[in-house]
Amino acid sequence: TAGITQAPTSQILAAGRSMTLRCTQDMRHNAMYWYRQDLGLGLRLIHYSNTAGTTGKGEVPDGYSVSRANTDDFPLTLASAVPSQTSVYFCASSGSRNGELFFGEGSRLTVL
Amino acid sequence: KQEVTQIPAALSVPEGENLVLNCSFTDSAIYNLQWFRQDPGKGLTSLLLIQSSQREQTSGRLNASLDKSSGRSTLYIAASQPGDSATYLCAPQTGANNLFFGTGTRLTVIP
Repeated sequence: TAGITQAPTSQILAAGRSMTLRCTQDMRHNAMYWYRQDLGLGLRLIHYSNTAGTTGKGEVPDGYSVSRANTDDFPLTLASAVPSQTSVYFCASSGSRNGELFFGEGSRLTVL
Repeated sequence: KQEVTQIPAALSVPEGENLVLNCSFTDSAIYNLQWFRQDPGKGLTSLLLIQSSQREQTSGRLNASLDKSSGRSTLYIAASQPGDSATYLCAPQTGANNLFFGTGTRLTVIP
């Protein structure tokens, strides 16, 4: 079972460039999430989507946008990357009523 | 905002030892609490989920307890193995999209 697939695995990006991190799940989960993980800060929620067609802002949404055109895909876009967006990004999904979260393997982004 | 603290930040134990990882949180109005495992360079894997109405959950050698009123949870690992070496994170959930993570305990089990 693939679960959640993230791409790319890693990327180096020049400041000011745009970038879309892709996330696809095959579990038909309604809810999907984007987190960033930084040393010493833990995981912080960027954006979420409770169902296809809806999105919401998390704890650290500035500089990021998301869309949810269908159940399976939840891309995260950085319109104009800045060095502070250097991080490891995790996509997650939840479909059960108890709220259990399933994570992808992460995308490591370096903005120079 | 929910603040989550995990102590210790790092722990090394010899193989076979039983150990306890601690998690405390400031907002006791939680729906549930999840424990995750993260291997280096990998994503998070859910280990146990405790509903707010439950006191503990068990899976194999793992036992997680929850004391919601005092804002504490523990993860007990019995008979530790080198394969248990990883970072363990706890995450209490206070709303549909409000899951807050601690910074984790990095566990090393020495053969």
